[in-house]
Amino acid sequence: SQTIHQWPATLVQPVGSPLSLECTVEGTSNPNLYWYRQAAGRGLQLLFYSVGIGQISSEVPQNLSASRPQDRQFILSSKKLLLSDSGFYLCAWSVSRGNGYTFGSGTRLTVV
Amino acid sequence: QKEVEQDPGPLSVPEGAIVSLNCTYSNSAFQYFMWYRQYSRKGPELLMYTYSSGNKEDGRFTAQVDKSSKYISLFIRDSQPSDSATYLCAMSAGSGAGSYQLTFGKGTKLSVIP
Repeated sequence: SQTIHQWPATLVQPVGSPLSLECTVEGTSNPNLYWYRQAAGRGLQLLFYSVGIGQISSEVPQNLSASRPQDRQFILSSKKLLLSDSGFYLCAWSVSRGNGYTFGSGTRLTVV
Repeated sequence: QKEVEQDPGPLSVPEGAIVSLNCTYSNSAFQYFMWYRQYSRKGPELLMYTYSSGNKEDGRFTAQVDKSSKYISLFIRDSQPSDSATYLCAMSAGSGAGSYQLTFGKGTKLSVIP
């Protein structure tokens, strides 16, 4: 069966520090991968998605970036965090377009 | 007009009640409709998935899609305290630009009181 792993679960980082969140999927090949951010009162916001290794589409201009070094690995990064980067970050995967996503357990990031 | 509108609630019902959750949308290209349940501090979990118009039933849950009205619903029968969570509707186009993306409602927070 397919599983998705996301870590860490909780992270507190100072302003200006770097960020690296990792997500891996098991039990499937060529998944579509997604990074979402969920902020209080704002719903789920798509940040990046990837349909293959090295293929990244950005939906929101910001100081975050994403990379997909391997088929089932998706990384969200920042060189310098801002206070506004605080939120609940969710990784997800899907088999095909339009299909329901499967989400990871999320990372709660607090920038102080 | 926002693409997907969902009443944030909160909605509080007694145990055993029938719950009705709804979303409206404006993009006529949407073909796939989903409902997610999200417990506090957890990732969303896919509950129901429907393609195009019609009804789908799974246990105590029924999803309805009315594309002519751009309106989708989730019904929960015999609600239980364990159903207390935030429910998110989501939808996507079947093809074309943006078809990989799900557009989410902001979620309705439901509390089922024992």
